[in-house]
Amino acid sequence: AQTVTQSQPEMSVQEAETVTLSCTYDTSESDYYLFWYKQPPSRQMILVIRQEAYKQQNATENRFSVNFQKAAKSFSLKISDSQLGDAAMYFCAYRRWVNNNNDMRFGAGTRLTVKP
Amino acid sequence: SQTIHQWPATLVQPVGSPLSLECTVEGTSNPNLYWYRQAAGRGLQLLFYSVGIGQISSEVPQNLSASRPQDRQFILSSKKLLLSDSGFYLCAWTPTGDTEAFFGQGTRLTVV
Repeated sequence: AQTVTQSQPEMSVQEAETVTLSCTYDTSESDYYLFWYKQPPSRQMILVIRQEAYKQQNATENRFSVNFQKAAKSFSLKISDSQLGDAAMYFCAYRRWVNNNNDMRFGAGTRLTVKP
Repeated sequence: SQTIHQWPATLVQPVGSPLSLECTVEGTSNPNLYWYRQAAGRGLQLLFYSVGIGQISSEVPQNLSASRPQDRQFILSSKKLLLSDSGFYLCAWTPTGDTEAFFGQGTRLTVV
């Protein structure tokens, strides 16, 4: 089965600074999708950004961007100009795409603290 | 627009009692449906996923089971709860042909 690894259980960043969260995954598939989800204290899962494996260009969403290294199976999230509201659990997720049937797997998460 | 409903929001059950958590999706058809469990401060563990009525894939059978009696209904069950079943349970769905998952509000289950 595919696995997703987040090696940083906790990270902290100073407000307005930049932080990078790491994620690696293991798969034998060539077509798949990668995601970063944010889970604030409310525990509602919020999509931050997504990346299609067939696209070489790294996805960006305002202050959030990814560094997608397909050969290395690495998918890191960079948060620029960190804000207090960015404090949350961040989950990296992998979704395969095989014959329209696809399961979605998550890493263990990284708890991000933003210091004022 | 599509919405997902998951209930109850919180549940306290004694050891050995049965469990039934329900999840329904509105505004779409033939969604892929998922049940995840999140232990305290931990990641999301995929329990079950379904690509159609009566089609259930089990990742972690253990003490739980899932059913999909209708296209947009996904039920998580147990005949006898264990203490280790405590956790936060999330239902999610993905549209057929689309990529991202949409999550319910979650159920906090405490087995006492």
